Parts: sequence; structure tokens; C-alpha cells
Amino acid sequence: NAGVTQTPKFRILKIGQSMTLQCAQDMNHNYMYWYRQDPGMGLKLIYYSVGAGITDKGEVPNGYNVSRSTTEDFPLRLELAAPSQTSVYFCAAKTGSRGYGYTFGSGTRLTVV
Amino acid sequence: KQEVTQIPAALSVPEGENLVLNCSFTDSAIYNLQWFRQDPGKGLTSLLLIQSSQREQTSGRLNASLDKSSGRSTLYIAASQPGDSATYLCAVIETSGSRLTFGEGTQLTVNP
Repeated sequence: NAGVTQTPKFRILKIGQSMTLQCAQDMNHNYMYWYRQDPGMGLKLIYYSVGAGITDKGEVPNGYNVSRSTTEDFPLRLELAAPSQTSVYFCAAKTGSRGYGYTFGSGTRLTVV
Repeated sequence: KQEVTQIPAALSVPEGENLVLNCSFTDSAIYNLQWFRQDPGKGLTSLLLIQSSQREQTSGRLNASLDKSSGRSTLYIAASQPGDSATYLCAVIETSGSRLTFGEGTQLTVNP
């Protein structure tokens, strides 16, 4: 049981390039999330999903897209990378049950140059 | 819009001290509250989850309390150790259970 797995761990992109950050969970959780964390700051919600086929915007969705075709996977797409997207990206998953909290992946550190 | 504030932003203490980290939130209609630990360059490790119907949770030397009516939570760390040095993040889960809002964290340094 790996929990939440993110790939890649590190990536350097040039301005204007595109990439997909992968997130997979093996806990059969319905809820999945993407956050970004800028240096010295808390986490900001980018997008989230409450189940396969359902996604919604968070606080900072501009410049990103998501899809949720299966319960297990929740990829985050950057179409035209900008320096402002340099950050650490975290994926998280949660069961719908009240008594359980969030499980986070180990993060993807992205630098746009 | 829910806002979460953590005070202090940074804290440095000698080993062995008991300490309290504070978290406040603006909308008391929350589902749960979760405390996390983040080591430099690492992901988030869940420490404690408090459901809205609970007042506190304990795990080892950690105790977290929740006062929904006043919009406050505290994380108490007993007999601090250098290994406790990390950033501690508080996050509230809204009533739908679907969204988590983070504070900016308290950076704790425990000096040997």
C-alpha cells in the first residue's frame, strides 16, 4: 500500500513548455487534490476532485488543467509554463468518511526558467 | 472564505521545553481540523486529526485541542526534542468535507 505517489520528483521546464504531473493513489479514496506551495508559504489549492469524472477549481487554478478518468489517477497539466509556476506541487487523497484525514504525496519540485 | 492563521510564524526553544502552537480560523462551520508536520524539502506527515465533535486528540507527546466556537486550535508538544524541529501546519476541512484550507505554518527549532 503506497498511499499517494507523485511523479516526477523534480523537473526543470523552459518557459512555454508543457508537462503533466502525475498522481496516483491505491487507497480507493474518492477525493483527490492538487496543492502548490511557494517558499515559506502555506499550501494553496489548485484543483480538486470528489470522484471520477468530477473536478472543480480551487483558489489558484489559472494556468492548470486536470482530469479524473479513474478513481486512482489525478494528473495535473501545465500547458504553457511560466516562471510564476515555479513551486512545489503536492497531491493529496481523502476518503469520504468523516473520521479520516488527508494523505499527501511527497511532492514534485518544479522550476520554470 | 475560510482563512487560517498560525502564530507564531517561527519559534526557537531549548530542548526539553513544553510549547504551544496556535491556529485560528475565521469560519467555525468546519468538518475536521488536521495538524501536519513538514520537514525541509519533504512532504506532509499527518500528526493529528480532530473531528468537529471532539475537543482534543493525543498522540505520544502531542496533544491538539479544538474550540470551534472561538475558531481556535492549539498543538501542545511536551518535552520538546531536536527531532521535533520542522514546520507545523494547521488545516481546516470545510463542512462539505471536500476542501482543506491551510495556515502558513509555524517553523519550530528545538536547540540541543
